[in-house]
Amino acid sequence: DAGVTQSPTHLIKTRGQQVTLRCSPKSGHDTVSWYQQALGQGPQFIFQYYEEEERQRGNFPDRFSGHQFPNYSSELNVNALLLGDSALYLCASSVGTGGAYSNQPQHFGDGTRLSIL
Amino acid sequence: AQSVTQLGSHVSVSEGALVLLRCNYSSSVPPYLFWYVQYPNQGLQLLLKYTSAATLVKGINGFEAEFKKSETSFHLTKPSAHMSDAAEYFCAVSKGRHDMRFGAGTRLTVKP
Repeated sequence: DAGVTQSPTHLIKTRGQQVTLRCSPKSGHDTVSWYQQALGQGPQFIFQYYEEEERQRGNFPDRFSGHQFPNYSSELNVNALLLGDSALYLCASSVGTGGAYSNQPQHFGDGTRLSIL
Repeated sequence: AQSVTQLGSHVSVSEGALVLLRCNYSSSVPPYLFWYVQYPNQGLQLLLKYTSAATLVKGINGFEAEFKKSETSFHLTKPSAHMSDAAEYFCAVSKGRHDMRFGAGTRLTVKP
């Protein structure tokens, strides 16, 4: 049973470029959340996708956008990259959103390390 | 808004000693609380979760945590540290909508 998989594992970009990160959720999961983890800090919530729609969003600018596909996989897009966007980007999957599933833990992938030069 | 504070960015213990990692939460409603562990170059792995069923929660790898509402705390403990426990530990809180808020993390070092 494959867990959460993310690609690529590492990525190097320059300021102003655009990047797309990909995530496949754990089998049976339908909700995907994205987090940014800067060096030495805890993960910060970017947004969450469920039923192909953005359901919740953290305090991140519109340069950060996403998409969820019918097979529940997801992409994170970041435009006009800044040096401060250098971080580990984590994808987490879970079942449902709120309600009876509200206490279900999220399962994390190993992340994509994004470096901006 | 809910949040967590982890006291101590770095904790060092000897192998076989008690591990105590501190976490305090703030939440306007009863929260769901989690502890995750992160090994170098890896994602986060769930250690345990509190969902109001029991105040003492047992997790994997011999870890446990106790929910204390009066102290708004959810400290993580392990009776005897192993070298393999060296990692970064994160406390997280959620109000049930999956937008988990993480603490800044505590790096655990285990000395031989």
